Amino acid sequence: SQTIHQWPATLVQPVGSPLSLECTVEGTSNPNLYWYRQAAGRGLQLLFYSVGIGQISSEVPQNLSASRPQDRQFILSSKKLLLSDSGFYLCAWSPGGSGYTFGSGTRLTVV
Amino acid sequence: KQEVTQIPAALSVPEGENLVLNCSFTDSAIYNLQWFRQDPGKGLTSLLLIQSSQREQTSGRLNASLDKSSGRSTLYIAASQPGDSATYLCAVSLNDMRFGAGTRLTVKP
Repeated sequence: SQTIHQWPATLVQPVGSPLSLECTVEGTSNPNLYWYRQAAGRGLQLLFYSVGIGQISSEVPQNLSASRPQDRQFILSSKKLLLSDSGFYLCAWSPGGSGYTFGSGTRLTVV
Repeated sequence: KQEVTQIPAALSVPEGENLVLNCSFTDSAIYNLQWFRQDPGKGLTSLLLIQSSQREQTSGRLNASLDKSSGRSTLYIAASQPGDSATYLCAVSLNDMRFGAGTRLTVKP
């Protein structure tokens, strides 16, 4: 069966520090991968999605970036965090046209 | 650009009531619609997935309907229980998935 792993679960980082969140999927190949952010009291905002290795589409211009170095690995990064980057980050995968499965999320607090 | 709206934003009901959550979307060109549940501080749990060619899906006490032409979906919860308290999210997908802001449901014992 397919599983999705996301870590860390919580993270507290100072303003200006770098960020790296990792998401991996097991039990499938060539999944579509997604990064979403949920700010406090707000809905989910799509940040990036990828349909294959090295293929990244960005939805919102910001100081975040994403990479897909391997088929089942999706990484969200930042060189310098801002206070506004605080939120709940969720990774998801989809086989394409058949619904999404989400990871357990990372709570990021920038202080 | 696809926009998804969920009404009401919050709902509080006594235990045992049947209830309906509403979702509307602006672009009927979708592959599917998915309902999720989110508990506070947790990730999303998929409840029901309706493909664009389907009209409804059922799972236990949950029933979701889809009227693609009018851009509407409803999630019906029968005989609500306190354990149903959570935020319910509706999302539609084509090339990616777009979410509504959710309905926060509280079921009082």
